Amino acid sequence: EDQVTQSPEALRLQEGESSSLNCSYTVSGLRGLFWYRQDPGKGPEFLFTLYSAGEEKEKERLKATLTKKESFLHITAPKPEDSATYLCAVQAVGEGKIIFGKGTRLHILP
Amino acid sequence: DGGITQSPKYLFRKEGQNVTLSCEQNLNHDAMYWYRQDPGQGLRLIYYSQIVNDFQKGDIAEGYSVSREKKESFPLTVTSAQKNPTAFYLCASTNARQGTGELFFGEGSRLTVL
Repeated sequence: EDQVTQSPEALRLQEGESSSLNCSYTVSGLRGLFWYRQDPGKGPEFLFTLYSAGEEKEKERLKATLTKKESFLHITAPKPEDSATYLCAVQAVGEGKIIFGKGTRLHILP
Repeated sequence: DGGITQSPKYLFRKEGQNVTLSCEQNLNHDAMYWYRQDPGQGLRLIYYSQIVNDFQKGDIAEGYSVSREKKESFPLTVTSAQKNPTAFYLCASTNARQGTGELFFGEGSRLTVL
């Protein structure tokens, strides 16, 4: 059964303090791994798609990487506006369903 | 503007009543999804549809029903058989043929059972 596990559940950082969020996944054959950002009371907003091990994508202070078992979302010199819940999701080859992890709640202190 | 519209934003229901949540998209996407979100639980898949007149159960389909009679619309009915329906419901769509997997989400519907 496809599974996505994110850690930590919550993370508090000082402004400028870099860190990484983890997404471990189990899937029969990976079609894509996705990262989303969600603000309270809103729908998630798409950040990245990664397709194969070794792939990296960047957007402003965020960088996503992928191995055969996990993905990391690296946050460099975060700002308070980066505070949100970050969600990881996977889709298997030949499947229409997209499965999400429970997310990591990130809080950046000014 | 293109996007996904969910309604109503807030809904209150008495126990034993069915309620239908609306989801409309004008993105010309083939695939549509319904997720449920509870505090600390992430998003759990209820139903999804990859093409008109066809849909599949997700991980928590019991107590829910859907229809896909039009490409643009994918309504979700929360039936009285759903034991704990109070939650935040999110609808999403994607261009399945493009293959990027980018889901476009609506703003959500918050259902409270009194």
